[in-house]
Amino acid sequence: NAGVMQNPRHLVRRRGQEARLRCSPMKGHSHVYWYRQLPEEGLKFMVYLQKENIIDESGMPKERFSAEFPKEGPSILRIQQVVRGDSAAYFCASSPPERGRTEAFFGQGTRLTVV
Amino acid sequence: RKEVEQDPGPFNVPEGATVAFNCTYSNSASQSFFWYRQDCRKEPKLLMSVYSSGNEDGRFTAQLNRASQYISLLIRDSKLSDSATYLCVVRSTGTASKLTFGTGTRLQVTL
Repeated sequence: NAGVMQNPRHLVRRRGQEARLRCSPMKGHSHVYWYRQLPEEGLKFMVYLQKENIIDESGMPKERFSAEFPKEGPSILRIQQVVRGDSAAYFCASSPPERGRTEAFFGQGTRLTVV
Repeated sequence: RKEVEQDPGPFNVPEGATVAFNCTYSNSASQSFFWYRQDCRKEPKLLMSVYSSGNEDGRFTAQLNRASQYISLLIRDSKLSDSATYLCVVRSTGTASKLTFGTGTRLQVTL
C-alpha cells in the first residue's frame, strides 16, 4: 500500500507563472488536507477536501490559490501568478473516511521556489 | 488565542534525560489528539495518538486532560535520534474535521 504521493518534489517557477502541485492520497482515503510551511515556521492549514467537495478552505488565500479533488485522479493545489512569498514547502495529508480519532498521513511535500 | 499552543523551544537536553512537552488547545469540542514528529525539511510523521486514559509507547508517554484542555508528551531516556520538532495536533469535530497543528517544539539531544 503506497503512502501519500506528492509530485513534483521540487518545483521552480518564475514570478507570474502558475504552479500546479499534485497529491495522490493513500488507497482508500477520501479526505485530503493541504498545509503550507514557510522556512523556520510551523504548518499552516490551507484547505480540506473530500472527493469532489471543498469542506474547509479557511486557510486559503482569497486570490490566486485554488484546490480540487476530483472523483478520479489526484488532488491539485493550483497557485496562479506566483510571487516570491509563495516559496514554501507544501504538504498534503490524507485520512480514511471514517469519523473519529483517525490520524492523517503525510506526503513528502513539494518544495516550491519562486525566482 | 491560538487554537493549539505549545511550549516555545528549543529544548536542549543531554542523552538519557527525561523531557516533557506541553500543549493546550482552545476548542473544547475537539475530539482527537496526536503527537507528530517532524525532522528537518521532512514531512510530519505520526508519533502517537493521545487518549484520555493516557498511553505509553516504549519511552514515550502521552497524556490528555480534557477538563484543562491540556496535552503532554514525556520522553524518557532521550536518544540523539529523538532530536526533532514535536507537533501537537488536534482534530475538531463536525463536518470540517481538519487537523490543527501547533507550531512545534524543537528538541535537541546532545552527548
